[in-house]
Amino acid sequence: DGGITQSPKYLFRKEGQNVTLSCEQNLNHDAMYWYRQDPGQGLRLIYYSQIVNDFQKGDIAEGYSVSREKKESFPLTVTSAQKNPTAFYLCASSMRNSYQETQYFGPGTRLLVL
Amino acid sequence: RKEVEQDPGPFNVPEGATVAFNCTYSNSASQSFFWYRQDCRKEPKLLMSVYSSGNEDGRFTAQLNRASQYISLLIRDSKLSDSATYLCVVNFSNYGGSQGNLIFGKGTKLSVKP
Repeated sequence: DGGITQSPKYLFRKEGQNVTLSCEQNLNHDAMYWYRQDPGQGLRLIYYSQIVNDFQKGDIAEGYSVSREKKESFPLTVTSAQKNPTAFYLCASSMRNSYQETQYFGPGTRLLVL
Repeated sequence: RKEVEQDPGPFNVPEGATVAFNCTYSNSASQSFFWYRQDCRKEPKLLMSVYSSGNEDGRFTAQLNRASQYISLLIRDSKLSDSATYLCVVNFSNYGGSQGNLIFGKGTKLSVKP
């Protein structure tokens, strides 16, 4: 089945620890995105990538890093510099990074700080 | 400043009721508009795109008023399964970076009761 997968579903981070969230898609989409959702808030864009080996910062990139070594994969690392990482993290993809393209979301990863 | 504003609700309605959600956006040059549905603790899923002439999909009708920078979603004959949070989403295509970056409203919660 075609789709977007994210793992793990739940992730616990200790103080000062870096953690990496996985996002994989087999939709042959060029563009991929990472969003963060806090309770009662809209989704906010962290990073996006329009093509392999290229990515740009979104509105709230501080404390996060990404890589795009393969078209199918766009992992997000939450570094120790991110002081308030507890949130619901959503990965999305679209055929192209264009206003005409619909974004499709993975099931999300909930990150909690211990 | 790019903003998408929605009434947070909750809207509590009986089965069979007609309910309308409204959304306003701040950028008059926005190119594309969507309604997404998000179930509790799940990812957003596209409900429908919103076209300039208005569009209908079964019990759902979306309308766009560019002059007033206003989008609406009408649900007729509401079902228990319609209970969810409805997200208004706008593409601010002339804001700095890439065209494919979406701005999400905080969502309107709908609860349909038997």
